[in-house]
Amino acid sequence: AQSVTQLGSHVSVSEGALVLLRCNYSSSVPPYLFWYVQYPNQGLQLLLKYTSAATLVKGINGFEAEFKKSETSFHLTKPSAHMSDAAEYFCAVSPRDSSYKLIFGSGTRLLVRP
Amino acid sequence: DAGVIQSPRHEVTEMGQEVTLRCKPISGHNSLFWYRQTMMRGLELLIYFNNNVPIDDSGMPEDRFSAKMPNASFSTLKIQPSEPRDSAVYFCASSLVGTVPGNTIYFGEGSWLTVV
Repeated sequence: AQSVTQLGSHVSVSEGALVLLRCNYSSSVPPYLFWYVQYPNQGLQLLLKYTSAATLVKGINGFEAEFKKSETSFHLTKPSAHMSDAAEYFCAVSPRDSSYKLIFGSGTRLLVRP
Repeated sequence: DAGVIQSPRHEVTEMGQEVTLRCKPISGHNSLFWYRQTMMRGLELLIYFNNNVPIDDSGMPEDRFSAKMPNASFSTLKIQPSEPRDSAVYFCASSLVGTVPGNTIYFGEGSWLTVV
């Protein structure tokens, strides 16, 4: 069965510092990969997705993620954190043989210190 | 553009009562999902409809839960009778499945259910 692991339930960075949120998937066939963001008391919003085009995917709000097959990873980065980036971030996988299904990781809460 | 619309946003009910959550998907989308979010279990898919037909209900916890989609613009998730362990945020989401690989799923703002 497909699964996704997010390392670190909480990540704290200073404003202006690099943001790195880690995501690893387990699958013999690379799935479709997504990052969603959830602001407090809101639903989930798509940041970016990988569907086997370019391995470096750019998303909204300055975020990007790189698909690395050899490492089964899809880490999310942003060069410079803003206070408004404080939120919970979810990595998700969608199996290619049942692409309607999103399997979510446990989430990483990003804290941004002034 | 209107997104996925859910109601109620917040519901507090007593154990044993019936709860009905409602959802209006994005117009033109052919697929609808109900997810549940809890601290213990994270985000779980409860049920998936395609063209108003339930395709995957393997995530529905038990017989107390039921979901319907009578038409393309409306769905309900019903819990009867409700129990305290049903307290969670219930998200409705919709997408256009089958047109592009790795379809994007759009989420509503959630219905926050507390069963006391």
